[in-house]
Amino acid sequence: DIQMTQSPSSLSASVGDRVTITCRASQGISNELGWYQQKPEKAPKSLIYAASSLQSGVPSRFSGSGSGTDFTLTISSLQPEDFATYYCQQYNSYPITFGQGTRLEIK
Amino acid sequence: EVQLVESGGGLVQPGGSLRLSCAASGFTFSSYWMSWVRQGPGKGLEWVANIKQDGSVKNYVDSVKGRFAISRDNAKNSMYLQTNSLSAEDTAVYYCARYKGNDAYVDLWGQGTLVTVSS
Repeated sequence: DIQMTQSPSSLSASVGDRVTITCRASQGISNELGWYQQKPEKAPKSLIYAASSLQSGVPSRFSGSGSGTDFTLTISSLQPEDFATYYCQQYNSYPITFGQGTRLEIK
Repeated sequence: EVQLVESGGGLVQPGGSLRLSCAASGFTFSSYWMSWVRQGPGKGLEWVANIKQDGSVKNYVDSVKGRFAISRDNAKNSMYLQTNSLSAEDTAVYYCARYKGNDAYVDLWGQGTLVTVSS
């Protein structure tokens, strides 16, 4: 199974900050990686697919990059509604696996 | 409106069964791979199973193989998850999910249905 490891596990930041979350795959997954945002007691929301393509309707302050084993999700200027937990997910091979999540909190 | 609505969750005893349903609307259901993803209390997301557009291909995470069965009825715009031999480890919110194209990236999520396995 491909293990997905996110860092950090939690992060405190302020509105307006630039934030980067990292996701590392235990083996190469090409660009077959997605990012999701989840707020407490809510369903996840899809943000980015194919490592760097923005899901329709997602603000342009979100961006993704990477290929192979190392990937990043960047939020260029944090907004109050961005405080949530973020998950990466690989879909290169079965079983499909998620990272453990990164909790983004208000400083 | 494009949406997925799950139902069928509830409280079940260990060893019991539940059938989860997902009703799709607002899009051509038969054109999409579909999936179930679950989230245990206070835990992260876990992929459970997925099914091809025509139902001819099904995949499962090892922990549910032989106990869960995914299916769909394109005439009813619905997907199902039959869950058997349930244990406490299966307690979770179960999300219905639609894939974008033929890649297993979820572009649409349901609101989830809670399954609680407890005596």
